[in-house]
Amino acid sequence: GAVVSQHPSWVICKSGTSVKIECRSLDFQATTMFWYRQFPKQSLMLMATSNEGSKATYEQGVEKDKFLINHASLTLSTLTVTSAHPEDSSFYICSAIRGLALWDEQYFGPGTRLTVT
Amino acid sequence: GENVEQHPSTLSVQEGDSAVIKCTYSDSASNYFPWYKQELGKRPQLIIDIRSNVGEKKDQRIAVTLNKTAKHFSLHITETQPEDSAVYFCAASMPGGYQKVTFGTGTKLQVIP
Repeated sequence: GAVVSQHPSWVICKSGTSVKIECRSLDFQATTMFWYRQFPKQSLMLMATSNEGSKATYEQGVEKDKFLINHASLTLSTLTVTSAHPEDSSFYICSAIRGLALWDEQYFGPGTRLTVT
Repeated sequence: GENVEQHPSTLSVQEGDSAVIKCTYSDSASNYFPWYKQELGKRPQLIIDIRSNVGEKKDQRIAVTLNKTAKHFSLHITETQPEDSAVYFCAASMPGGYQKVTFGTGTKLQVIP
């Protein structure tokens, strides 16, 4: 099956620092990757859509200068939380779509739990 | 944009009983409706999905129905087991660029042994 990994699985950082989260599709090339944020007991909120070689498309209300997304290859997308603050503490999950068919399944990474102190 | 509402937010059932979770969507252009199961601290897992060209789909104890006219779809779990306990999310996706999926608010299902 299609496997998506994320690294790190959890990270604690101090307020004001930046944190980079990696999302990799291990056994397939991902045409599109998505980044979600999930607060405790809440749903997944889409932050941005990432396509290899092009700029990410951010959802309304998501600061593109704060959440930097780089999709350098068909198997790797990174999310950098810049100048992190405690309110950025959350569970960040990526997903990847394998093919080009209209209804291709999204494969989710295991998530990264970010805690900003 | 698309808006997906989900009910109930919590659901407790006795083991062996059925559980039903309902969702409504706002954009009639949505044509793909996946359901995900998420255990605490883990990734969402696709359990079943339905396309807009069918009204019902079943996979063992899990079934999903879709009413395009009313813009609602439901998840049915029969003969529930304790391991079915988790948070379930419905979602809707529109055709076109990037297959963006909008998630419902989630239902915490507890199956009581």
